[in-house]
Amino acid sequence: RKEVEQDPGPFNVPEGATVAFNCTYSNSASQSFFWYRQDCRKEPKLLMSVYSSGNEDGRFTAQLNRASQYISLLIRDSKLSDSATYLCVCLGAGSYQLTFGKGTKLSVIP
Amino acid sequence: NAGVTQTPKFRVLKTGQSMTLLCAQDMNHEYMYWYRQDPGMGLRLIHYSVGEGTTAKGEVPDGYNVSRLKKQNFLLGLESAAPSQTSVYFCASSFGGQPQHFGDGTRLSIL
Repeated sequence: RKEVEQDPGPFNVPEGATVAFNCTYSNSASQSFFWYRQDCRKEPKLLMSVYSSGNEDGRFTAQLNRASQYISLLIRDSKLSDSATYLCVCLGAGSYQLTFGKGTKLSVIP
Repeated sequence: NAGVTQTPKFRVLKTGQSMTLLCAQDMNHEYMYWYRQDPGMGLRLIHYSVGEGTTAKGEVPDGYNVSRLKKQNFLLGLESAAPSQTSVYFCASSFGGQPQHFGDGTRLSIL
């Protein structure tokens, strides 16, 4: 079983739609979680951290379910500029290494 | 504010040649990392460093060496390049337990 698993997509959604990405992780000792965004031929950039109580940043909402070892990202009112690959990332307890999922590709269509 | 800077941006090598990729960060981060990213494989950790003078192996270290002589620099070396090392290489840095900041990558082709 891969350590961090994501649906690779692609997700093709119209502008204004709401889209949700899911991610599961296998290391129950993972302590910190993040969503990164990677545009085509660019470097990954931090989108948001994921907190146990869930957190929101504008149109983006992240949720964590430790019991199910599951992380989600919800994007509301999708914009063309949201088109990118979204990477689910976990940091193990006492570890300095991040484990990256392979990413979910999103295309927002006019 | 430069953040993480990688040089060169692009390079084409012949099989058997050697080269060094340079990563520099100006955020005073303790930890630095080298990844490679290949289609369908996601980001894979090659080597990392938790401080000046220290290095450790990641998931795919074979064929690469690293050095961290100064806190702000992390060098990745290919002693004898192979076509399988054709990839996009990303350097990243962070404080411990914090999200990593990435450089904009080096596209390396081995012929």
